[in-house]
Amino acid sequence: AQKITQTQPGMFVQEKEAVTLDCTYDTSDPSYGLFWYKQPSSGEMIFLIYQGSYDQQNATEGRYSLNFQKARKSANLVISASQLGDSAMYFCAMREDAAFGNEKLTFGTGTRLTIIP
Amino acid sequence: EAQVTQNPRYLITVTGKKLTVTCSQNMNHEYMSWYRQDPGLGLRQIYYSMNVEVTDKGDVPEGYKVSRKEKRNFPLILESPSPNQTSLYFCASSLLSDSSYNEQFFGPGTRLTVL
Repeated sequence: AQKITQTQPGMFVQEKEAVTLDCTYDTSDPSYGLFWYKQPSSGEMIFLIYQGSYDQQNATEGRYSLNFQKARKSANLVISASQLGDSAMYFCAMREDAAFGNEKLTFGTGTRLTIIP
Repeated sequence: EAQVTQNPRYLITVTGKKLTVTCSQNMNHEYMSWYRQDPGLGLRQIYYSMNVEVTDKGDVPEGYKVSRKEKRNFPLILESPSPNQTSLYFCASSLLSDSSYNEQFFGPGTRLTVL
């Protein structure tokens, strides 16, 4: 079974609009962390935001926020006031604490976001 | 500057010709890992290392070898590359942590094409 599911292969959004990228996850570990990465066309992986399973509040980092719904096992990334530079591939990833010793991130398949001027 | 470096960044080779992709980090991280990225599959872990001389298989280790003789270096070895190993490869490093928040630092990626 997929541990991280990103159901939107591609999205087109008008500049300055908000966008939500979906991510659902599957784990039986009570302690885990969820990460979002941005991959521009140049290829590097850029860390955006983190949410811990025990965090009471949704994470925010500038224009990025994470809509964390634990009971639904979803961790959607919200980008407010989108900009042309937000056009990139976005990956959701999870680290399970039970995997101590292997800091492995399990990644989703990604969503390619294109911002339209 | 704290960073993970990979070399080469781009490589085109032929089937069966042994190659090594180097990875080095300057953050004194215990943990290092290799991932491969393929369209529609995301990133998948190939091998990881918890410390010097301690390595283990990830999810897709077939066709790859690694070594960790020094803490800062974690080379990926393809002894007999095949076209299905054409991919974008990332090295990553981090501290070992019992916290779910443990940011991994990624290298810039190596784009490998095997003809």
